[in-house]
Amino acid sequence: QQQVKQSPQSLIVQKGGIPIINCAYENTAFDYFPWYQQFPGKGPALLIAIRPDVSEKKEGRFTISFNKSAKQFSLHIMDSQPGDSATYFCAAGWSGGTSYGKLTFGQGTILTVHP
Amino acid sequence: DAGVIQSPRHEVTEMGQEVTLRCKPISGHNSLFWYRQTMMRGLELLIYFNNNVPIDDSGMPEDRFSAKMPNASFSTLKIQPSEPRDSAVYFCASSLYGSSNQPQHFGDGTRLSIL
Repeated sequence: QQQVKQSPQSLIVQKGGIPIINCAYENTAFDYFPWYQQFPGKGPALLIAIRPDVSEKKEGRFTISFNKSAKQFSLHIMDSQPGDSATYFCAAGWSGGTSYGKLTFGQGTILTVHP
Repeated sequence: DAGVIQSPRHEVTEMGQEVTLRCKPISGHNSLFWYRQTMMRGLELLIYFNNNVPIDDSGMPEDRFSAKMPNASFSTLKIQPSEPRDSAVYFCASSLYGSSNQPQHFGDGTRLSIL
């Protein structure tokens, strides 16, 4: 019940394309869903996050879509650029008890954007 | 503002040796997390602390691993004795524990190679 399943493992798009990365979770107690971006040799960095009381959140070219009933959420990157090439991780966390602040990460998606 | 600082950035040592990884969290943050990243297993949470107290160490793989946080500005992760299967990138992250989930800020990791 702690798992977060992420797909695809890797994704290649052309510049200007709209890559979509999907995640699914099982634990309905999760109430915080961040996405992290990681470049080679660096640690993951928070990109955007959503809570289950909204179905969509946009920040610049990045959008999270959230489907509470299906227990799924996804990241869309509009007008993708070669500089977006990185590994993307979804994660889930919840505010209850001793697990507060703890995140469960998906397996990651390696995104390559060709010029 | 300085981010999370990890040292060393790279460590190469022989099997059986003791390895100590160090982390300085962001000033004012009171939650600290240790992760391990490998291609096979992705990003795994090993242990996390709130206000210097270990809260969940269920991810620590075995007794060879230990972590301490003697004060709010320093933590160590120790492996003794080290084994080749411990080779991975180890990340430290910190966040501000509060009334809602706060983003975790990652360091740039320690790349550990056990020969």
